Amino acid sequence: AQSVSQHNHHVILSEAASLELGCNYSYGGTVNLFWYVQYPGQHLQLLLKYFSGDPLVKGIKGFEAEFIKSKFSFNLRKPSVQWSDTAEYFCAVNARAAGNKLTFGGGTRVLVKP
Amino acid sequence: DTGVSQDPRHKITKRGQNVTFRCDPISEHNRLYWYRQTLGQGPEFLTYFQNEAQLEKSRLLSDRFSAERPKGSFSTLEIQRTEQGDSAMYLCASSRGESETDTQYFGPGTRLTVL
Repeated sequence: AQSVSQHNHHVILSEAASLELGCNYSYGGTVNLFWYVQYPGQHLQLLLKYFSGDPLVKGIKGFEAEFIKSKFSFNLRKPSVQWSDTAEYFCAVNARAAGNKLTFGGGTRVLVKP
Repeated sequence: DTGVSQDPRHKITKRGQNVTFRCDPISEHNRLYWYRQTLGQGPEFLTYFQNEAQLEKSRLLSDRFSAERPKGSFSTLEIQRTEQGDSAMYLCASSRGESETDTQYFGPGTRLTVL
């Protein structure tokens, strides 16, 4: 069975700082990788996803993530955060041999101070 | 708004009661998923449907839980004889169902509190 771990539970940043959130997964086969975001009071929405091709994936709102297969990692980055990036971020994986179900990490709460 | 909708948004019940939640997916989305999220955790997969067929159930889905999608459109999740450990946010998601890379679109969730 696959599993996902997110290294930081809470991150506090000032505006304009750079953000990097770690995500590692455990699964021996081929996977699709996702980052979802949940803004305060809103539902989960997709930031970006990777399934093949260029391992550097660009998503909405200036976010990007890099898939490093050798490290089983899919870290999320943003060069300069804004107050509106305050949210909870979830990394998720689905294993291609195991259907469509998503396995999520525990989430990282990001607070951006104005 | 043509996103995934869930009803009710909040449900408070006493231990031992039965509850039923409804999910309306995005129109023409063939796949529908149920997840459960407890405080401080990420969502956990419960079950999913391809049209009206329930294709997979997690071992988290005990015998007290049942899900249906009778006409391949909306779905219901019923919990019988609720326990305090059932308190959680129940999330529904839908996707086109054409590929495993399809985006799953999530609804706002139903927050269940069992007293």
